[in-house]
Amino acid sequence: EPEVTQTPSHQVTQMGQEVILRCVPISNHLYFYWYRQILGQKVEFLVSFYNNEISEKSEIFDDQFSVERPDGSNFTLKIRSTKLEDSAMYFCASSENGYRNNEQFFGPGTRLTVL
Amino acid sequence: AQTVTQSQPEMSVQEAETVTLSCTYDTSESDYYLFWYKQPPSRQMILVIRQEAYKQQNATENRFSVNFQKAAKSFSLKISDSQLGDAAMYFCAYQGNTPLVFGKGTRLSVIA
Repeated sequence: EPEVTQTPSHQVTQMGQEVILRCVPISNHLYFYWYRQILGQKVEFLVSFYNNEISEKSEIFDDQFSVERPDGSNFTLKIRSTKLEDSAMYFCASSENGYRNNEQFFGPGTRLTVL
Repeated sequence: AQTVTQSQPEMSVQEAETVTLSCTYDTSESDYYLFWYKQPPSRQMILVIRQEAYKQQNATENRFSVNFQKAAKSFSLKISDSQLGDAAMYFCAYQGNTPLVFGKGTRLSVIA
């Protein structure tokens, strides 16, 4: 069964460094998402992406964040200058379409630790 | 803004017994969807069950069923005949005209 994959599973970085988190969505899916979960807190929506454009983003998704689909398979989240408070689990998800009832398939997550 | 509240951080159930996980939400929208996601240890979240708000009939998926009370804004998940593989974090989620909004989750332990 197709799955969303994410790499790396754990990333440790120094404050101020740039990180790129990678995701491979399910191949026939058209909508892609990033979420994050700070330890002990809720899973929060960051951004959705369709047709090579951001379709929606949250207040968390400020200028430090960017997303890209550099090729036909990868979907990346870049944090330009990491802060301590960026430490969290980051989940990628994809769905066939953007309808509200359409199931989003989640990856296993990348744990980002900013020191 | 929509909010989702799961008031039980942890629950436990004996194998083969039934357990109910609670979820309440707040919204002013009339048309929306509700979901329960399961996240086993070190695995990705998977969709367990979904409910359309305009449908009065409660959704069921094998051993999983919901009790959807629209007026009370309540959406509980019932797991019947619990199995060891049901042990996981369970997230309740809401989607209206905004992206998915999650609750904080309930960690379910299944006791053999």
